[in-house]
Amino acid sequence: AQSVTQLGSHVSVSEGALVLLRCNYSSSVPPYLFWYVQYPNQGLQLLLKYTTGATLVKGINGFEAEFKKSETSFHLTKPSAHMSDAAEYFCAVSDRGSTGGFKTIFGAGTRLFVKA
Amino acid sequence: KAGVTQTPRYLIKTRGQQVTLSCSPISGHRSVSWYQQTPGQGLQFLFEYFSETQRNKGNFPGRFSGRQFSNSRSEMNVSTLELGDSALYLCASSLARTEYGYTFGSGTRLTVV
Repeated sequence: AQSVTQLGSHVSVSEGALVLLRCNYSSSVPPYLFWYVQYPNQGLQLLLKYTTGATLVKGINGFEAEFKKSETSFHLTKPSAHMSDAAEYFCAVSDRGSTGGFKTIFGAGTRLFVKA
Repeated sequence: KAGVTQTPRYLIKTRGQQVTLSCSPISGHRSVSWYQQTPGQGLQFLFEYFSETQRNKGNFPGRFSGRQFSNSRSEMNVSTLELGDSALYLCASSLARTEYGYTFGSGTRLTVV
């Protein structure tokens, strides 16, 4: 069964600093990996996804993530944090179920705080 | 194009009652999944529907059920509500294949008193 571990329930950075949110997964090959962001009182929004091909994936709002199979990691980065990046971030892995449907498993989430 | 619409946004129910939540997916999306989000358990998968058939199910008791209509709209029902059912219920729609990712609705905040 697949699982997702996000290291750090809270991360605090200064505005303009590098953002690094860590995610490790376990899944059968091939994994489909996702990062979502959730703002207060809203649903989740897809930031980026890895399916096949290039291991460095670029998403919206300047975020990117690198799939490292050997490390089973899919860390999310952004070179320079903005105040508007303050939100909760979820890493997710998708699995093809035996019945043909799919189920996406989410990590526990990392809340990002951005200090002025 | 319109996003995923969930109704109602907020709901307060009493223990023992039942509740029905509604989700209208993005036009053309045939897969609808439901998640329960709580501070303690995070996002927990409830079930996925595709072309009116439940394709996948999470580990929730039988009090939680759902269905999908021919226009892809979906409903989930919770019977005999318990205090622990208080949560944000999120609907997510997708094209048929898993690698496309989800588009989420804003959720229904259910409070059971």
